[in-house]
Amino acid sequence: AQSVAQPEDQVNVAEGNPLTVKCTYSVSGNPYLFWYVQYPNRGLQFLLKYITGDNLVKGSYGFEAEFNKSQTSFHLKKPSALVSDSALYFCAVRTLGSGANNLFFGTGTRLTVIP
Amino acid sequence: DGGITQSPKYLFRKEGQNVTLSCEQNLNHDAMYWYRQDPGQGLRLIYYSQIVNDFQKGDIAEGYSVSREKKESFPLTVTSAQKNPTAFYLCASSLAGQTYTGELFFGEGSRLTVL
Repeated sequence: AQSVAQPEDQVNVAEGNPLTVKCTYSVSGNPYLFWYVQYPNRGLQFLLKYITGDNLVKGSYGFEAEFNKSQTSFHLKKPSALVSDSALYFCAVRTLGSGANNLFFGTGTRLTVIP
Repeated sequence: DGGITQSPKYLFRKEGQNVTLSCEQNLNHDAMYWYRQDPGQGLRLIYYSQIVNDFQKGDIAEGYSVSREKKESFPLTVTSAQKNPTAFYLCASSLAGQTYTGELFFGEGSRLTVL
């Protein structure tokens, strides 16, 4: 079985400070990992993904994430937070060789950037 | 511009009524999905379709029905059998196949409220 944990329901950070949104996963096999962002009453927007290769992946809007196989983590980071980054962030995982219908989402972390 | 269009954005329903949510995509994607989003929970898969005239149940299909008569369209009907239909519904699409490693593309969502 596969699962995703986002241990923090809420993360607050001051504008200009670095931000981290945590994600850990559990899969049987090699993982495909994704981060999505959702603004109020909107659909999800893709930020970045890890499939294979370099453990540090860069995505949209200055976000990046580091894949750590030993810790089964895929934390989302940004060096300097903007007020406009305030949103709901979802981590998702599926396994290598499974269809996209097998994508499993975490419960989401609400990021608030304080001016 | 290519994308996914969901309608209506907001819908109110009386108990005992069926309602149909529309989802249209012009991305030429073979696969389409319906997710349900509730506060504090991750997205849960209702139904998915990998090809026209074929669809499969997801994790929470009870009380829902779908059709896939055209590649571009994947409407979702919330029937009176769905015990707790008030939720935010998201439609998504992607290329199909087990080897697909990309992301899902989401619509803007439909918020259904049962009065």
